[in-house]
Amino acid sequence: DIVMTQTPLSSPVPLGQPASISCRSSQSLVYSGGNTYLSWLHQRPGQPPRLLIYKISNRFSGVPDRFSGSGAGTDFTLNISRVEAEDVGIYYCMQGTQFRTFGQGTKVEIK
Amino acid sequence: QITLKESGPTLVKPTQTLTLTCTFSGFSLSTPGVGVGWIRQPPGKALECLALIYWNDNKEYSPSLKSRLTITKDTSKNQVVLTMTNMDPVDTATYYCAHEARYQVGPFFDYWGQGTLVTVSS
Repeated sequence: DIVMTQTPLSSPVPLGQPASISCRSSQSLVYSGGNTYLSWLHQRPGQPPRLLIYKISNRFSGVPDRFSGSGAGTDFTLNISRVEAEDVGIYYCMQGTQFRTFGQGTKVEIK
Repeated sequence: QITLKESGPTLVKPTQTLTLTCTFSGFSLSTPGVGVGWIRQPPGKALECLALIYWNDNKEYSPSLKSRLTITKDTSKNQVVLTMTNMDPVDTATYYCAHEARYQVGPFFDYWGQGTLVTVSS
């Protein structure tokens, strides 16, 4: 299994301020053909997760541009440029290069 | 639009077999690249992928749970069924099904059902 490790596990952020979450994989996520299959999901309390970012940096349909992803190989980052109230919840990274595995989650709350 | 909905028992006894059905609309599981996965989330814990089935009937299973899982599809009914044998209280979780479009977005879950909570208790 590819193990996904997120830091921090909790992130209190003032409204309007940036937030950053890191995700590290236990092995490279580069697939044959050159694609890197890393995604980010957001889960609000009592809701299913929703896809935010796929293939490191592509925003899924309807995702605001304050969300951005970056990274390569085994190290990846999700950035929120200005946190809004609706952004609270838990963020997960997930790899699709092998059988899908998720990070342990990062809780974002308003400070 | 794509929708998925999970159904099945809310309570099962230890050692019993769990059968969950995912009924979907807005896509076909005979379209190349399309898959449906099952993911679970114990209360207050992280997500865990259990199994995936693809348009060509290829299947993938969690290595740690493979011996207990079976995933099948009924393309004509737009349904995917997951069975998990020998249920234990640690299997108490919300079970989600989700859509994957490997040739468009990639091997990622882009649409999710609302989930169904399954409690394992005697």
